[in-house]
Amino acid sequence: AQSVTQLGSHVSVSEGALVLLRCNYSSSVPPYLFWYVQYPNQGLQLLLKYTTGATLVKGINGFEAEFKKSETSFHLTKPSAHMSDAAEYFCAVSISGSARQLTFGSGTQLTVLP
Amino acid sequence: DVKVTQSSRYLVKRTGEKVFLECVQDMDHENMFWYRQDPGLGLRLIYFSYDVKMKEKGDIPEGYSVSREKKERFSLILESASTNQTSMYLCASSMRFDEQYFGPGTRLTVT
Repeated sequence: AQSVTQLGSHVSVSEGALVLLRCNYSSSVPPYLFWYVQYPNQGLQLLLKYTTGATLVKGINGFEAEFKKSETSFHLTKPSAHMSDAAEYFCAVSISGSARQLTFGSGTQLTVLP
Repeated sequence: DVKVTQSSRYLVKRTGEKVFLECVQDMDHENMFWYRQDPGLGLRLIYFSYDVKMKEKGDIPEGYSVSREKKERFSLILESASTNQTSMYLCASSMRFDEQYFGPGTRLTVT
């Protein structure tokens, strides 16, 4: 069975600072990895995904994530935070070849300070 | 664009009532999912369906049932609502091996 750990339920950064949201996974088979964002009172929106190929994945709104198999990590980064990035972020993993079931982390609430 | 809609954004029901949450997707997706979201717990899968009339239990199916009579519609049923089912309910759909697309959620309060 796969699992996901997001370190830090709340992260605060200043506007313009680097955003780093941590995600570690466990999976007995090659994983598919996802980052979703949830703005207040909305559903989840896909930021980016890793399936196969290039380990550095670029997503929407300037976010990117790097799949590191040796560290079983898929951390989300953005060079410069904007106020509009304030939201909750979820990392998720699925068994390779199937997105039928996603296992989600518990989420990280990102606050951007002016 | 994929669109997943849920019948209500906010719902208030009384303990013991039968509750129906409806979800419709417009992209001919095979898979549909129901999650509940609670603070600090992330999203937990209740049920999913990979075809019409097919369903599989997720991690927390107790107290819930589902129905999928048409490909585009997936219903979550609370047979007898209880206060511990107060939560945000999210529906999602996906193609076979692709990412999931989520609806806006239904915030259910059971009093």
